[in-house]
Amino acid sequence: EVQLVQSGAEMKKPGESLKISCKGSGYLFANQWIGWVRQTPGKGLEWMGIIYPGDFDTRYNPSFQGQVTISADKTTTTAYLQLNSLRASDTATYYCARLRGTISGGWLDPWGQGTLVTVSS
Amino acid sequence: DIQMTQSPSSLSASVGDRVTISCRASQSISGFLNWYHQKPGKAPESLIYVAKSLLITAPSRFSGGGSGTDFTLTISSLQLEDVGTYYCQQSHTLPWTFGQGTRVDVK
Repeated sequence: EVQLVQSGAEMKKPGESLKISCKGSGYLFANQWIGWVRQTPGKGLEWMGIIYPGDFDTRYNPSFQGQVTISADKTTTTAYLQLNSLRASDTATYYCARLRGTISGGWLDPWGQGTLVTVSS
Repeated sequence: DIQMTQSPSSLSASVGDRVTISCRASQSISGFLNWYHQKPGKAPESLIYVAKSLLITAPSRFSGGGSGTDFTLTISSLQLEDVGTYYCQQSHTLPWTFGQGTRVDVK
């Protein structure tokens, strides 16, 4: 069974940084893209970026570039989302998801269970 | 960025009803449109990809259609487990974008 298991909920203060993990199992981790999606009540679902663990090719949504860093470790079959200089507006649930198909025309399946991040002073 | 607009924003229907949700793209995305279902408190799950292909794990009462800029998701006979929010997403052009969601309730 293909599974993506994310790290647990976090509470952070403004200005701090955070790294969320997403461990994949049940498939060839290095050979399929993993993406990150943010969900907030106000803006809904927003695609943040995606990485191909095999060669670390990474694409970012320009809206998030510079604010986040996406990485992956093939040996531990884990993808990471680093959030820098957190603000209250970064309070959200963050999901990882595997890409089926290609960058152009693919779909996200399955999704991790989500990581709730709360940023508050 | 390509804007995705869903309608209606919410709907309430009875068990057994036929339900249709629309999704419109701000420019042509060919058939690169996906649908997801998010049950309350859970992560989204993939339902339909490339406009009309049903995931093997999805119930056959779901179907998708459309191309270019206009797409639909149809539930042929609404069931209690279908409640939640449905999202469309275009994968034609980066950055991928999602519709704002359609909330479905059962009367």
